[in-house]
Amino acid sequence: GQQVMQIPQYQHVQEGEDFTTYCNSSTTLSNIQWYKQRPGGHPVFLIQLVKSGEVKKQKRLTFQFGEAKKNSSLHITATQTTDVGTYFCAANNAGNMLTFGGGTRLMVKP
Amino acid sequence: DGGITQSPKYLFRKEGQNVTLSCEQNLNHDAMYWYRQDPGQGLRLIYYSQIVNDFQKGDIAEGYSVSREKKESFPLTVTSAQKNPTAFYLCASSAGSPGTDTQYFGPGTRLTVL
Repeated sequence: GQQVMQIPQYQHVQEGEDFTTYCNSSTTLSNIQWYKQRPGGHPVFLIQLVKSGEVKKQKRLTFQFGEAKKNSSLHITATQTTDVGTYFCAANNAGNMLTFGGGTRLMVKP
Repeated sequence: DGGITQSPKYLFRKEGQNVTLSCEQNLNHDAMYWYRQDPGQGLRLIYYSQIVNDFQKGDIAEGYSVSREKKESFPLTVTSAQKNPTAFYLCASSAGSPGTDTQYFGPGTRLTVL
């Protein structure tokens, strides 16, 4: 099946520092979604990107879709303890199914 | 109060026993999914269903079975043929297209096989 690589696997940051997770595919994607899973919880949808080069913002979160539609990133500015959790990308390569990346677990030290 | 319910939250079974995990949604969604999550790993698709009485295998269907007799319900049976069944199981649903529609997840069932 389609491979979606997500890096890093883990990230420890001090509260107030920035954080970025990257999602990479070897094939061109139709669209990509991002989800957040709090510790002990279930994934919750954050956003969907569809267009080449698209950038979307949600407060301190910035999502980007690469020009070639093969990669995406999620950047959090000035992390807070409420940002703790695992962030997953989910990619659709026109097979009309989502393939989830392995996730990046974010830990924030207060 | 719309959403997806999964029961039970924690389930313990002896090796060699089949076990069925329940998933119910009242969102009127056509598509439903079952994922498996192992510690520190992503979500792997077990089975999905786009309409009633139809379902397809995902990436790791071996040792699992499903049914979709009603739109609201998509139970998953973990059979004794599943070599390593201990995991966190998540059910999800979406309005339609599996590739583009938002997936809404239930709270999950943590299965431990002793």
